[in-house]
Amino acid sequence: GENVEQHPSTLSVQEGDSAVIKCTYSDSASNYFPWYKQELGKRPQLIIDIRSNVGEKKDQRIAVTLNKTAKHFSLHITETQPEDSAVYFCAASGGRDDKIIFGKGTRLHILP
Amino acid sequence: DAGITQSPRHKVTETGTPVTLRCHQTENHRYMYWYRQDPGHGLRLIHYSYGVKDTDKGEVSDGYSVSRSKTEDFLLTLESATSSQTSVYFCAIKDSTDTQYFGPGTRLTVL
Repeated sequence: GENVEQHPSTLSVQEGDSAVIKCTYSDSASNYFPWYKQELGKRPQLIIDIRSNVGEKKDQRIAVTLNKTAKHFSLHITETQPEDSAVYFCAASGGRDDKIIFGKGTRLHILP
Repeated sequence: DAGITQSPRHKVTETGTPVTLRCHQTENHRYMYWYRQDPGHGLRLIHYSYGVKDTDKGEVSDGYSVSRSKTEDFLLTLESATSSQTSVYFCAIKDSTDTQYFGPGTRLTVL
């Protein structure tokens, strides 16, 4: 079945700098890759997603890139702000079953 | 939040007792999922459903069973709760664009 690896597990960046979180997946049939943000005590919320027919997608300060050949995708946050502090999860789905498998998460700290 | 509710929101129970968690959705989505969330492990899939009476196992299904007798309800049962099942449980639905939305979560403590 699908396996998703996410790195780093913790990331600290200075406010205003960029943050990059990387994920790899194992099932070459996966075709949908969402990213979720989870604030303390709350449910995960979708922030951006990308499908396999696209190499990059951008939404204001957030962008996601996908390399299907290498089976990895990344989340880029530019001009980080204090409200970006949270746990971020990547996921992969659409492969050989209906499962949606998540990475273990990255705790992002934005330093003042 | 895609009309997803979970009940109860908090539960404390004792080892060996049965526990049932309920996920309810109001938008007729075909796919429903149960995850557990533990520090250092992220969101791990327990079971999922692709229609009424159609369910399949996820990554960590041992000790859990599910039932879906109506489109709107997906039940997760711990037949005999153990301390290792102390966790936060999230239900989710997947819509027609493959986007997944989560319920508010249930915090379960097994003493």
